[in-house]
Amino acid sequence: EIVLTQSPGTLSLSPGERATLSCGASQSVSSSYLAWYQQKPGQAPRLLIYGASSRATGIPDRFSGSGSGTDFTLTISRLEPEDFALYYCQQYGSSPWTFGQGTKVEIK
Amino acid sequence: QVQLVQSGAEVKKPGASVRVSCKASGYTFTDYYIHWVRQAPGQGLEWMGRINPKSGGTNYSQTFQGWVTLSRDTSINTAYMDLSRLSSDDTAVFYCARGSFTMIAVINPFDYWGQGSLVTVSS
Repeated sequence: EIVLTQSPGTLSLSPGERATLSCGASQSVSSSYLAWYQQKPGQAPRLLIYGASSRATGIPDRFSGSGSGTDFTLTISRLEPEDFALYYCQQYGSSPWTFGQGTKVEIK
Repeated sequence: QVQLVQSGAEVKKPGASVRVSCKASGYTFTDYYIHWVRQAPGQGLEWMGRINPKSGGTNYSQTFQGWVTLSRDTSINTAYMDLSRLSSDDTAVFYCARGSFTMIAVINPFDYWGQGSLVTVSS
């Protein structure tokens, strides 16, 4: 099983600032099958990034993903008020599909 | 548009079973796997298993093997998740999500999710 570890646990930032979220894998994620999801309270997760760096349909270009192998990053270039939420990484290349424990981006 | 609509909230007593449904629309149901994900209160996301709606074949997380059963009814484009021997620790929101194609070797993330079904286990 691939264990994903996200850091930091909480990121306190102001609107307009840049957010950098990390996701480390216990073993290499095959073919960069790494996704990022955003979840707001009371809502289902929403796909943001897949294939480590491809934006899902309708996702603003302030969201970008990078990385390969065991180290991945989600960057939000300039935080908008609606971006304050929980973010999860997920590997979907091998069973069992696994998620990181999440990073909360909160308003400073 | 693609939609996954789940059944409503349930309250169950310890030891009981629960069935959560997930009705798909806006695409060909048998073309994509359906996954199930658990989220306990204040906790993260945990993959439970998946079903191939075309064949009915299933894969389960070792954590849930033996007490979750996934099934589907292709006549009404609906997937089901049955959880047995409930305990208070099983109180959670359960999500269904669409995954990869069933017939083509293209691996997809979970691109569409149901709205979630809260199952509360309480005596």
